[in-house]
Amino acid sequence: EAGVAQSPRYKIIEKRQSVAFWCNPISGHATLYWYQQILGQGPKLLIQFQNNGVVDDSQLPKDRFSAERLKGVDSTLKIQPAKLEDSAVYLCASSYGRGTRETQYFGPGTRLLVL
Amino acid sequence: RKEVEQDPGPFNVPEGATVAFNCTYSNSASQSFFWYRQDCRKEPKLLMSVYSSGNEDGRFTAQLNRASQYISLLIRDSKLSDSATYLCVVNGDSNYQLIWGAGTKLIIKP
Repeated sequence: EAGVAQSPRYKIIEKRQSVAFWCNPISGHATLYWYQQILGQGPKLLIQFQNNGVVDDSQLPKDRFSAERLKGVDSTLKIQPAKLEDSAVYLCASSYGRGTRETQYFGPGTRLLVL
Repeated sequence: RKEVEQDPGPFNVPEGATVAFNCTYSNSASQSFFWYRQDCRKEPKLLMSVYSSGNEDGRFTAQLNRASQYISLLIRDSKLSDSATYLCVVNGDSNYQLIWGAGTKLIIKP
């Protein structure tokens, strides 16, 4: 079974530039998550989708971050404009259902460095 | 107080030893508890769920103490391959929100 796919794996940009990340979840998984993980910290949930609807985006900095999952399958996360503090690993995860007892399966992440 | 707290370590442990670490949580109504493992520069992967009665999977034992609001992970006969960061995950106020700890780094020495 294919896992969660993410691209690109690495990205280096200058501050104030824009960047977009792509995620394709495990087939059949209705719930998709985007996390930000800063070095030395645990993952921080940015946004959670159930199919193509947003379940939780309370920690998404909406002035610069946006995400969509238009057809309920793959998703994109965008940062515009990027700040130095956005340097982190952006992890995408998916689960079959949306309850807290569901196992989350993570992709390899996108490492973002903002200079 | 943070919602989920872990000792960041690192725990430096000789191969073959037993190591245990705890994770405290602030929401007394939490019902879902997990330990995830994250290798260096890799993504987190589920190690085990934590059940009220405690559970064991080979050399790993997870326990829940609701009265004191912590979960624990015990690793027996530690192997070099156990070196990783162990992330504690607890559900938040809603029935779909999970809160992640910062992780405890474990280093097993030969």
